[in-house]
Amino acid sequence: SQQGEEDPQALSIQEGENATMNCSYKTSINNLQWYRQNSGRGLVHLILIRSNEREKHSGRLRVTLDTSKKSSSLLITASRAADTASYFCATAPDSNYQLIWGAGTKLIIKP
Amino acid sequence: GAGVSQSPSNKVTEKGKDVELRCDPISGHTALYWYRQSLGQGLEFLIYFQGNSAPDKSGLPSDRFSAERTGGSVSTLTIQRTQQEDSAVYLCASSFPPGLAGGVGGDTQYFGPGTRLTVL
Repeated sequence: SQQGEEDPQALSIQEGENATMNCSYKTSINNLQWYRQNSGRGLVHLILIRSNEREKHSGRLRVTLDTSKKSSSLLITASRAADTASYFCATAPDSNYQLIWGAGTKLIIKP
Repeated sequence: GAGVSQSPSNKVTEKGKDVELRCDPISGHTALYWYRQSLGQGLEFLIYFQGNSAPDKSGLPSDRFSAERTGGSVSTLTIQRTQQEDSAVYLCASSFPPGLAGGVGGDTQYFGPGTRLTVL
């Protein structure tokens, strides 16, 4: 079963606004990763945060991880039309090499 | 190579036919994964190869599905006697050995563009 669950399922905002997506998971993890998918095809890795990290930044992206609540958030600041995509979180359980994927958040940036 | 490549990009087949999907991973990546993604859904794990170890086939949905990886590089996913419910995008990803970057957990995966399979 899917461990990571993103919310909201869909998000529509104006260009320039910030977008926040959340991910919850169930088991202990080694790391959590966020990916972006355009046009329903290949996924692109955005950022990886390890279980001993609480916050990580990459350009306009900010990821937080709260292992006590088993949740993570992805913040995209100053959104652009090109950010329109589906965003997935994937968790790497402690004991397994597999990534467990959520169903994704569909983000639409309106010009 | 520059990235993970997959072929064909699109495949339309008739119910009952066999199909082969190909994945060429990034050079040097010993781990290779196959996933299936139905419309609007997340990724469903199918199979995992790591070096010369026996593959993890735990995600294959039925015995109509099989995969092999020759020479530790190119992989082929075969679906026999295709059914309409097999219609989906099939994604391949590769990575360095899980845990190489520290810890046991899965590391960054690099995806190909996928093969969109349509079974009529």
